[in-house]
Order: sequence, then C-alpha cells, then structure tokens
Amino acid sequence: IAGITQAPTSQILAAGRRMTLRCTQDMRHNAMYWYRQDLGLGLRLIHYSNTAGTTGKGEVPDGYSVSRANTDDFPLTLASAVPSQTSVYFCASSDSTWGGLFFGPGTRLTVL
Amino acid sequence: GQNIDQPTEMTATEGAIVQINCTYQTSGFNGLFWYQQHAGEAPTFLSYNVLDGLEEKGRFSSFLSRSKGYSYLLLKELQMKDSASYLCALSGGYNKLIFGAGTRLAVHP
Repeated sequence: IAGITQAPTSQILAAGRRMTLRCTQDMRHNAMYWYRQDLGLGLRLIHYSNTAGTTGKGEVPDGYSVSRANTDDFPLTLASAVPSQTSVYFCASSDSTWGGLFFGPGTRLTVL
Repeated sequence: GQNIDQPTEMTATEGAIVQINCTYQTSGFNGLFWYQQHAGEAPTFLSYNVLDGLEEKGRFSSFLSRSKGYSYLLLKELQMKDSASYLCALSGGYNKLIFGAGTRLAVHP
C-alpha cells in the first residue's frame, strides 16, 4: 500500500453499538489525525496523535476515543454510537517537518 | 478561537479567473493552507503560505496578509475539472489544521 487506507469504506450502524474505524499509513509519518466532515460545518478535528504512544483531544472529542500503539495505525472508536455521529470520517497524517496533511479516502458512517 | 470565514458557493466560467477569499480571527498560527476537495473524495493539498505575499503554482496562486487576517486562492484559466470545494485551513500547534467550512466552486462552460 502507499499512503493512507481507511476501513470500512462505509457503514450503517444501529444506535448504541460500538464501532471502530481503522486507519493505516505507510509513510512513517509521526503525526496522525481524525476529522469528521459534515455539510456546512467543514472538517472538524476529533483527536490527534503527535507520535506513537501519545494522543490529544481536538475540537469535537466527545463520544470518541483513539489509541496509537505504533506509528502506522490510528483507530477511532465510537463506544456507543448516536445519530449525531453520522458523518464522513477522514484520517490524515503529517510529516512534522512540513505540517501539511495527507488524507485517507474517508469512511461514510450512518448511525440509525 | 480561530474563526475562519469563506463564501459558501461561487460560480465561474470556463477559461476565466476566480478569487476565493478566506478571512480569519486568531491570535496566532504557523501557516495557512488551501486544499481542494472533489465531491465524494478526500481533500488534497494545493498551497501553503507561511510569510505574507503571493505563492504561485501553475494555474493556482495563494496570497496571505497576516496583518489583515486575510488570504485568497486565485485560480486562472479555469477548467471544468476545477469544480470542487476549496478549503482554507490554519496550522496551529503540533501541525493541527483548523478548517473553514469550504467554498463550493462550480465552473460552467
């Protein structure tokens, strides 16, 4: 693989269920991010990780958790999904020397 | 906070020039980014301004004025494939990007 992959591509989920969105990058970037994108609101940062073993909260962290056990993987977990978490989720990574983000293809999540 | 404002929608004609503005209110940032996003796809990097002034990259240019809290993206010789959303973003600590809501550009023949 080259770049960032996300899985699943799309998912329909019943409210109250637990869901983990997967993100893997092979660029050896230290920093990784999770954004959600909603119509009219743009991209909003959920959580981020500057390096393996550390994570931080973004603008809209409530209801989400992340872990960063290694450089390549940055999963996002919804412990108990709610309809307001219906969104498109983008994972991104960054070469810290430059600062720009490379985005994965996104996961479209619908919570009913 | 970092309020970032962009027009919601713009239309332009193929072959023309269009300027997409971005204004912001923030106490400080490292740089300003512009991303392009086609419908149903991920955002892709277009340009980056750290210093005031104009950065040119082929048909695309971006301008930044920190004192005025203002940036713009200039697209020349518009093509139909330029129909997309254009996202302005500020870079804060730890390379976190804070995005505006984006400007949806429609290019007509």
